[in-house]
Amino acid sequence: DAGVTQSPTHLIKTRGQQVTLRCSPKSGHDTVSWYQQALGQGPQFIFQYYEEEERQRGNFPDRFSGHQFPNYSSELNVNALLLGDSALYLCASSFDQGAGTDTQYFGPGTRLTVL
Amino acid sequence: LAKTTQPISMDSYEGQEVNITCSHNNIATNDYITWYQQFPSQGPRFIIQGYKTKVTNEVASLFIPADRKSSTLSLPRVSLSDTAVYYCLVPTGGATNKLIFGTGTLLAVQP
Repeated sequence: DAGVTQSPTHLIKTRGQQVTLRCSPKSGHDTVSWYQQALGQGPQFIFQYYEEEERQRGNFPDRFSGHQFPNYSSELNVNALLLGDSALYLCASSFDQGAGTDTQYFGPGTRLTVL
Repeated sequence: LAKTTQPISMDSYEGQEVNITCSHNNIATNDYITWYQQFPSQGPRFIIQGYKTKVTNEVASLFIPADRKSSTLSLPRVSLSDTAVYYCLVPTGGATNKLIFGTGTLLAVQP
């Protein structure tokens, strides 16, 4: 049973460019959350997708957008990249039981470097 | 939204039992407590989750007193490979159950 997978592993972009990160959830999971982790800090919640819609969003600008596909996989898009967007981007999946206690399982992350 | 407080760092030696305590004074009635482990440049790994009293799995135990305002993660007989950051989390609940991470506890295990 494959866990959460993310691609690519590493990515280098320049300021102003756009990037797309991909995530495949753990088998049986229907919810995908995205987090940004800057060096030395804990992960910060970006947004969550459920039933192909953004269900909740953290304190991130509109340059950050996403999508969830019918197979529950998800993409994170970041436009007009800034140096401060350099971080480890984490995807977490869970199964929505409606109880607010769903355990989130994280992927290995994508390391984005903006030059 | 329950805020958690835990020590910034802890030191231990191989073979010792390590206890990391987390306070969550305003935890709500339906909130669960969840712990994750994270190694550098990797995604957090789920360790254990509990609601009250004691929960044990193959890697750790979680002790939660009756008032649930704190919890203690217990790692038996740590090894060098247990050196990592440990996060105590009380998910926000509701529809999204989003996780609010603090800075966590950096556990350094020495030989």
